[in-house]
Amino acid sequence: SAVISQKPSRDICQRGTSLTIQCQVDSQVTMMFWYRQQPGQSLTLIATANQGSEATYESGFVIDKFPISRPNLTFSTLTVSNMSPEDSSIYLCSVRTARDGQHVYNEQFFGPGTRLTVL
Amino acid sequence: GENVEQHPSTLSVQEGDSAVIKCTYSDSASNYFPWYKQELGKGPQLIIDIRSNVGEKKDQRIAVTLNKTAKHFSLHITETQPEDSAVYFCAASKKTGFQKLVFGTGTRLLVSP
Repeated sequence: SAVISQKPSRDICQRGTSLTIQCQVDSQVTMMFWYRQQPGQSLTLIATANQGSEATYESGFVIDKFPISRPNLTFSTLTVSNMSPEDSSIYLCSVRTARDGQHVYNEQFFGPGTRLTVL
Repeated sequence: GENVEQHPSTLSVQEGDSAVIKCTYSDSASNYFPWYKQELGKGPQLIIDIRSNVGEKKDQRIAVTLNKTAKHFSLHITETQPEDSAVYFCAASKKTGFQKLVFGTGTRLLVSP
C-alpha cells in the first residue's frame, strides 16, 4: 500500500476565494487522482493528475475551476477556484501503485481527505 | 459505461450477527471489484478485493463473493463488532489499461453492542 497525506485536513473559506490542496505520497506511484465526495454521497472522480502534463478531467469538471498540478511522481495539488457554497465537500487524493515499475495494479488507495466548507 | 448499484443503503445489526451488502454491475467486461470502508472523518480504506478469475475471497471475518453470470458481488462480515460501523462502498473496473473505478452509492452499517 501507499501512505498518502493531504494538507490542509480541513478549511473554512469565503465564497469567491480559492484553496489549494496538497497531496504527498511516500512512494513513487504511477497514477494519482482527485475525487470529490459531497456530504453523504459516494465518490466522484474529478480528474487524473498526469506528471508533467495537463490533467485529464471527467465530464462535468473543467481545468479553470479545478486546476491540477503534478510536478513529480509523489506530489500533486488540486485548486478549487472561485469557490461557492456548492463546493463544500470532502476532496480526496487517491493513488494506484506500481510494482517493479512494470505493471499497474488495480489496488487504489485514498488519502485522509480535505474537508472544505465554503461560506 | 459501467453502473454499480448497491443495497441496502443502511443496515443495522446486533453485535455478533452477520452483515451482507450486495452490489450489481452492468458492464460484463468489468473484472476487478474492491470494497472500501470509510469511517467518520477518514478517507476510504481498501479492505478486500476480488478479481473475476475467482468466485470467493476471504480475509478473517470478511469475505467477498462474485457471480459473474448474474453480475453481482457481495461483502459478508461475520461476527460483527461495533468497530465495523462505517460506510462501505463497492466499486468495479476493468483490469486492462487505466479504467476508472465506478463506485456504488454506499451502505451505512451500524453495529449495536
